[in-house]
Amino acid sequence: QVQLVESGGGVVQPGGSLKLSCATSGFTSSSYGMLWVRQAPGKGLEWVAFIRYDGSNKYYAESVKGRFTISRDNSKNTLDLQMDSLRAEDTAVYYCAKDLVPAGSRPYFFDYWGQGTLVTVSS
Amino acid sequence: YVLTQPPSVSVAPGQTARITCGGNNIGSKSVHWYQQKPGQAPVLVVYDDSDRPSRIPERFSGSNSGNTATLTISRVEAGDEADYYCQVWDNSGDVVFGGGTKLTAL
Repeated sequence: QVQLVESGGGVVQPGGSLKLSCATSGFTSSSYGMLWVRQAPGKGLEWVAFIRYDGSNKYYAESVKGRFTISRDNSKNTLDLQMDSLRAEDTAVYYCAKDLVPAGSRPYFFDYWGQGTLVTVSS
Repeated sequence: YVLTQPPSVSVAPGQTARITCGGNNIGSKSVHWYQQKPGQAPVLVVYDDSDRPSRIPERFSGSNSGNTATLTISRVEAGDEADYYCQVWDNSGDVVFGGGTKLTAL
C-alpha cells in the first residue's frame, strides 16, 4: 500500500537550518509530483513547495521562497525539504503528499499524505 | 488568489451539511476538498469539483459555479465531524487552500 513517512523534524533556533525527508513506498514515485504542506499549531493548511515528477520544475510559496529548497531522489524514493534561515513563523507540522495525477506538469490534487513531522523554531 | 470558507458549520445528525468555498470566478477552476480530523493528516474527499475517490462514501458530493464551490455532506454522521479545506491551483503557480471549516454534528 502507499506509504509516505516524514522524518527530520525537531527544535531549531531562529536563523538555523533543518532538513526534512519523506520516504515513499507502494507506488512509482518517479511518476508523480510531490509537495510539502505545513500546518501551524491550531491553524489551517498552508502549501510550502511542489516538485514535478521528474524534478524539472519546482514551485514555492512566497513565504518560503529563497529560504527553502525542495528536491527528490527518484532512485531512492525520497523527497526532501531543506529549510534555511528559519523563523518562528515556520513552526508547524510539515506533511509530504503525493499528487494523484501521473506525470503532471504542475500541482493538481493530493491523494496520499504522510502523518507529518513537527518543526519548532524557538530560542 | 484567496479562498474564503466559513469558520464553522453545524448540523444535526442525519441532516445535510453544505460547506462553501468562495473565490473570484472559482467556477473556472477545479476545486478539491480535504477532510482533516484532529491529530490526523488530511484526506481527499472530492476532486475536480465533484468526483470522489473510490474509498469516500457517496454521501460526499461537490459542485462549483460562479464565485462559489460547495461541498455537500448528506445524512451527516458523528464521524464526519472534522475540518474541511477547499483547494485550487492558481495559474500563478500557487497551490491555494481555503482557511478551513469546522463541521460539528450537533
